[in-house]
Amino acid sequence: DTGVSQDPRHKITKRGQNVTFRCDPISEHNRLYWYRQTLGQGPEFLTYFQNEAQLEKSRLLSDRFSAERPKGSFSTLEIQRTEQGDSAMYLCASSLEGRTGDEQYFGPGTRLTVT
Amino acid sequence: AQRVTQPEKLLSVFKGAPVELKCNYSYSGSPELFWYVQYSRQRLQLLLRHISRESIKGFTADLNKGETSFHLKKPFAQEEDSAMYYCALSGQNYGQNFVFGPGTRLSVLP
Repeated sequence: DTGVSQDPRHKITKRGQNVTFRCDPISEHNRLYWYRQTLGQGPEFLTYFQNEAQLEKSRLLSDRFSAERPKGSFSTLEIQRTEQGDSAMYLCASSLEGRTGDEQYFGPGTRLTVT
Repeated sequence: AQRVTQPEKLLSVFKGAPVELKCNYSYSGSPELFWYVQYSRQRLQLLLRHISRESIKGFTADLNKGETSFHLKKPFAQEEDSAMYYCALSGQNYGQNFVFGPGTRLSVLP
């Protein structure tokens, strides 16, 4: 499977713990996005990378969230001091910057449950 | 601010009937509009985008700037069209702040 992959697929953690998720984009894609999706809602934009540069962060992203994309390849999303409200599906997507538009390819997501 | 609304959470139609999934947006500039679909137990995938002006799986969508709408239409629904459909918008700074609507679940009944 050469699509976007995410690890782990499921994560259960206790409130106050730190968690880290990984996303491996399609290899030639230079753009990478993180989204959060809660039940009954569409994906909510969190942050966006072009190569290794983090170009945009949602105003909704608290200081407990941090994302990196070293060397412009895989990306990690860390949540520190998790809260129950962080329980959600975390989606990663990648795309190739192009003249005709930015088709995003999504990973399967990481489902986080904070107890 | 960019915003996408999809007024119907659930839409049920019978096989062979026409279907229209509504999408309205608010954006001050010239947006790019998309429809994404998620079939059961599959990942989110692009269905179509307005700049391509193409028909995918019999679906079409026309951008109406006057009504700020991008409704998704298909003349004859099939059972395999049952899925979650999300309308999405990207602003002029392409690739940044991609906004999804809340989604409409389409159920095509036999």
